Amino acid sequence: DQQVKQNSPSLSVQEGRISILNCDYTNSMFDYFLWYKKYPAEGPTFLISISSIKDKNEDGRFTVFLNKSAKHLSLHIVPSQPGDSAVYFCAASGNQFYFGTGTSLTVIP
Amino acid sequence: NAGVTQTPKFRVLKTGQSMTLLCAQDMNHEYMYWYRQDPGMGLRLIHYSVGEGTTAKGEVPDGYNVSRLKKQNFLLGLESAAPSQTSVYFCASSLGHRGYTFGSGTRLTVV
Repeated sequence: DQQVKQNSPSLSVQEGRISILNCDYTNSMFDYFLWYKKYPAEGPTFLISISSIKDKNEDGRFTVFLNKSAKHLSLHIVPSQPGDSAVYFCAASGNQFYFGTGTSLTVIP
Repeated sequence: NAGVTQTPKFRVLKTGQSMTLLCAQDMNHEYMYWYRQDPGMGLRLIHYSVGEGTTAKGEVPDGYNVSRLKKQNFLLGLESAAPSQTSVYFCASSLGHRGYTFGSGTRLTVV
């Protein structure tokens, strides 16, 4: 049973606009969340994280929001750039990391 | 600083053959992991290790074995490959449960 879900397999956004990637989880004991970015033929690379004691973390163009009551987190990319086109995985930490199925983001120039 | 290195990058096996995937990290990380990535399934944990000489089962361990004889290496073995093991395999390492460094992956096809 998937403990971390990314219900949108793909997303297309115009360059310069905001990209919003969503992630839902089922286990209220998860206390740390991350987003990874993956280009084709490469391993995932760490993008941004958030602890359950926070509801927002920002790093440049990337902001992660956490809504614990809804068991939902989202990644905002503003402004979106063509180089952001990749697959984005969210992950949640319990005794191990559980990964979502990924969302493929395409930023259209 | 190479980070996490996986070998080989590609391999084609016949059903029933065996092989070992090698993962090496040079960051002195205690934790190492093997994941597989399949379409629509995300990254699923096969086995992991919390230190030299230790291994533990993850979410999908059947058909695989692992060994961590040296801190820097984590080996994933397939004793008798099956078509269901066709996948992309990723190794990762971490200091603790706070973010991984991934290798670039091994694409395995079992025919």
